[in-house]
Amino acid sequence: QSVLTQPPSVSGAPGQRVTISCTGSSSNIGAGYAVHWYQQLPGTAPKLLIYDNNNRPSGVPDRFSGSKSGTSASLAFTGLQAEDEANYYCQSYDSSLSGPVFGGGTKLTVL
Amino acid sequence: EVQMVESGGGLVQPGGSLRLSCAASGFTVTSSYMSWVRQAPGKGLEWVSLIYSGGSAFYADSVKGRFTISRDNSKNTLYLHMNSLRPEDTAVYYCARVGGRYPTYYFDYWGQGTLVTVSS
Repeated sequence: QSVLTQPPSVSGAPGQRVTISCTGSSSNIGAGYAVHWYQQLPGTAPKLLIYDNNNRPSGVPDRFSGSKSGTSASLAFTGLQAEDEANYYCQSYDSSLSGPVFGGGTKLTVL
Repeated sequence: EVQMVESGGGLVQPGGSLRLSCAASGFTVTSSYMSWVRQAPGKGLEWVSLIYSGGSAFYADSVKGRFTISRDNSKNTLYLHMNSLRPEDTAVYYCARVGGRYPTYYFDYWGQGTLVTVSS
């Protein structure tokens, strides 16, 4: 059972807008700790997609965006593309566990 | 260009030991915060350990007392010494550079991973 809760799967057609939620608690996201997002393509290592809630590393397209409110965060895709099909993980810090924590991951399927 | 290459994974019996290495290039390991993250087969990501540039080390409860993180400045390499291994330690182990600072830890670069299988 992961500390951060994500839906196991989401799907959308090319060009659609899709969001992935990440729900935490008062010891992590709700405590104000930043949320970060990773993309993991099949058979590869994770790649940083969004850091500090809504910042994109150099090279990440601006159709990926992040937001945070209360005890939850979201990753949004505007203009879904076939190459976006992957697993996505949220991550934050948990004060009770004294370390980084991840969500269970969400598989994005492009229909 | 930042790059990290892990090695040292393999098959080990329960109760055994293994040392993972992560050779880095494009940056200095001992000047950075570094971490190990693992992923059990078909499962999600789990943080394992983190070391500050000053040498302070932190561990997940699941590995505390069994795993030790360390670095070698001359080889620009990060290590994970794993003792008393259990079947539930079976996973791909990734080394990752930490891009933020406490408590905003995030992992900005990752190695390709090395598979550790604990089985008799």
